[in-house]
Amino acid sequence: DAMVIQNPRYQVTQFGKPVTLSCSQTLNHNVMYWYQQKSSQAPKLLFHYYDKDFNNEADTPDNFQSRRPNTSFCFLDIRSPGLGDAAMYLCATSRDGVREQYFGPGTRLTVT
Amino acid sequence: AQSVSQHNHHVILSEAASLELGCNYSYGGTVNLFWYVQYPGQHLQLLLKYFSGDPLVKGIKGFEAEFIKSKFSFNLRKPSVQWSDTAEYFCAVTTTGGFKTIFGAGTRLFVKA
Repeated sequence: DAMVIQNPRYQVTQFGKPVTLSCSQTLNHNVMYWYQQKSSQAPKLLFHYYDKDFNNEADTPDNFQSRRPNTSFCFLDIRSPGLGDAAMYLCATSRDGVREQYFGPGTRLTVT
Repeated sequence: AQSVSQHNHHVILSEAASLELGCNYSYGGTVNLFWYVQYPGQHLQLLLKYFSGDPLVKGIKGFEAEFIKSKFSFNLRKPSVQWSDTAEYFCAVTTTGGFKTIFGAGTRLFVKA
């Protein structure tokens, strides 16, 4: 009955090697979010999509990109991962951006 | 800038003790307020929410929270905790303009059996 699915759950990549994280949802929600969460810190919003409209947070590095090819799927691309990008990446959805969010299990990214 | 403060980063309680986790936010306009919980090995999930109306809201598993507008607070309470309440708790705020949710840094609760 998983509603927000993230793949892979664990990802190891090399410094500078592009990596893509995947998120899918079965809720048919309009809004999809990507958060970065480092140990003992709050989830930090990177960007969100409302339908096909992409909204980047002002402090999200250019190294991070996203794609949403359809309602169900959203991808996070890290073009040149640095050691500081090692974190848990959370995908979430919301029906309208105001109501509660539904989170996936996260992808833990390790950069070697 | 908007922010959410959670006063306690780590809380250790014995079973049956009462719980209160503090949350304050800084935003002058209308907000929607949430508490999310993350049990060990599980994903973040909604515990309770406040949009409008009665400022005392009840959530799952016996949790409740009170919105005090004058204090910009939304504290989480539970009269008697159980070992299974061991988890990390996040307070979050969304402005009614929507889309951006600000999370607090989280409070790790450990309940001793």
